[in-house]
Amino acid sequence: AQSVAQPEDQVNVAEGNPLTVKCTYSVSGNPYLFWYVQYPNRGLQFLLKYITGDNLVKGSYGFEAEFNKSQTSFHLKKPSALVSDSALYFCAVRILGGNNRLAFGKGNQVVVIP
Amino acid sequence: GAGVSQSPSNKVTEKGKDVELRCDPISGHTALYWYRQRLGQGLEFLIYFQGNSAPDKSGLPSDRFSAERTGESVSTLTIQRTQQEDSAVYLCASSLAALRDEQFFGPGTRLTVL
Repeated sequence: AQSVAQPEDQVNVAEGNPLTVKCTYSVSGNPYLFWYVQYPNRGLQFLLKYITGDNLVKGSYGFEAEFNKSQTSFHLKKPSALVSDSALYFCAVRILGGNNRLAFGKGNQVVVIP
Repeated sequence: GAGVSQSPSNKVTEKGKDVELRCDPISGHTALYWYRQRLGQGLEFLIYFQGNSAPDKSGLPSDRFSAERTGESVSTLTIQRTQQEDSAVYLCASSLAALRDEQFFGPGTRLTVL
């Protein structure tokens, strides 16, 4: 089955420190991977995606993610976290065939401490 | 340009009543998805529309749930005889048809069944 896993429930980081949110995937074939962020009482906002090409993908709000095929990972990173980055982060993989829907991880709550 | 819109933003209903949720996708987006997000959980796929093809209803949790879409525009999700376990945020997303295209989410409808 094609899926993603986000192993941590909550990530706490001090403002100004590097932020990493982990995601691993399980797919047959080449993966199409996405990161979304959800602020309180809001819908999901697209951050970035990996389709093909460079393993380091740059996205919105200073976020980037590194695709690692050997480790089947797609971790989200930001060099210097802001308090405003506190939110719920979802990793997703496209399910190929059929409806091509996104399968989401359970989400990670990120708390940036001032 | 306008994003995905959903109405109502909040809906409180009594157990056993029917509810109808509306989604207006981004113009030109042929694919439309409905997801359910229960408190503290990830997104659960419900139903998928692609152009004029038959919808993929494989995620609907029971026959009390149904959805329609008029061409490539508005979609409505109907829940009949609501139960307390139906309480959740219902998210709509739309995208272009290609596999590489990200989904754009609406703000969601928060449904509370008393």
